[in-house]
This record gives sequence, structure tokens and C-alpha cells, in this order.
Amino acid sequence: SAVISQKPSRDICQRGTSLTIQCQVDSQVTMMFWYRQQPGQSLTLIATANQGSEATYESGFVIDKFPISRPNLTFSTLTVSNMSPEDSSIYLCSVGVPGGRGQYFGPGTRLTVT
Amino acid sequence: KNQVEQSPQSLIILEGKNCTLQCNYTVSPFSNLRWYKQDTGRGPVSLTIMTFSENTKSNGRYTATLDADTKQSSLHITASQLSDSASYICVVSHNNAGNMLTFGGGTRLMVKP
Repeated sequence: SAVISQKPSRDICQRGTSLTIQCQVDSQVTMMFWYRQQPGQSLTLIATANQGSEATYESGFVIDKFPISRPNLTFSTLTVSNMSPEDSSIYLCSVGVPGGRGQYFGPGTRLTVT
Repeated sequence: KNQVEQSPQSLIILEGKNCTLQCNYTVSPFSNLRWYKQDTGRGPVSLTIMTFSENTKSNGRYTATLDADTKQSSLHITASQLSDSASYICVVSHNNAGNMLTFGGGTRLMVKP
């Protein structure tokens, strides 16, 4: 299985600031995804990070708030912009398992906005 | 509408006891079903994956079953340990590309000494 790392693992940020989360995979993968998990909730897909083109966002998520980069097949970043306390969540990146056998998840970034 | 429902929402058991978590899904088309374990504040870790033709899959003390006819799956944990305390999430994949998933709400398991 792919080894996925995320940085930072956690952060406490002030309202109105932005945070960029990095996701690194130890092998080239076609599909990378970003999820949000609010306290006590299940995972919600934010967007699919496309290599070399703009990310594909799910309903309710916009590029201005969650800009995503995918410069190559092993790396992606998610920025949470102009943060408010409602953005306090765990943010997870995931990669598609070859053969369409689901996804593997990174360890997550725990974000608290004060 | 594609849905994955898990029960119970939460469960408390004593260390050493067995338990069974349930997952019912109404997802079409169906590609595969995974059970994940998610420790508090961490990312989900895959325990088992089953495709349409598989009805049982084991991973140590974890045994998952799948009944594709009734669209039900279960995760049985044997001889529970304190480290089994976590959320268990049932996730159904819609397609062979792996980019369309429906998540269950999870079962929060607490194992007490």
C-alpha cells in the first residue's frame, strides 16, 4: 500500500489567516483527493486533485476558499483560506488504490481555528 | 440515493469480549466495500476490502462479511483489546476507478478494561 504523509499534523490558527497542508506519497499515483472531517462527523470529499490541471471541486466547496495544487504525481497541497472557527476540522488527503479498489488515507491534519 | 448506514452508532464493550458492527448499503453500481479503523484525530486505516464475489475476509482479529444480495456487511471483532477503541467506517466504492465513494457514519467503539 502507498505510504502517505501530511504536514503539518496539527495546527492552531487565528481567524482570517490561511494554512497550507502538504500531502506526499511515496509512489506515483493517478488520483489524489482531499477530504474534510468535522468533529464527530464522517468524511466529506472537498475535491479531486488533478495533476497538471485545476482541481475538481464537490458541491459546496470553491477554489477561492480551498485552492489546491498538484504539481506532480506524488505531491499535492490544500490551502484553507481566510479561516473561521467553522473550518476547524481534520483535513485528510487520500490516494486511489490501483484497480479501483478504494482509497488509502493519509494521517490527517488537525486544524483548530481560534 | 446512494447511502451507507452503520449500526450501532456507538458501542461499549469489556476487554476480551467479541462484538459485531453492521453496515447496510444502497449503492449502485457496487464495486467494493472496505472497512476502515480510525483512531481519534488520525486518518482511516483500511482493515478489509471485499468485492461482489467475496463474502468473508479476515485480518487478524477482524472478520468482515458481505452479503451482496441483501446489501449488508458486518465487521466482527474477536477478543477485543483496549487498542480497538476507535471509529469503524464502512465505505462502498461505486466504480472501478476508485474515485466515487460513499461513507457510512461510522460506529464508535469503546473497549473498557
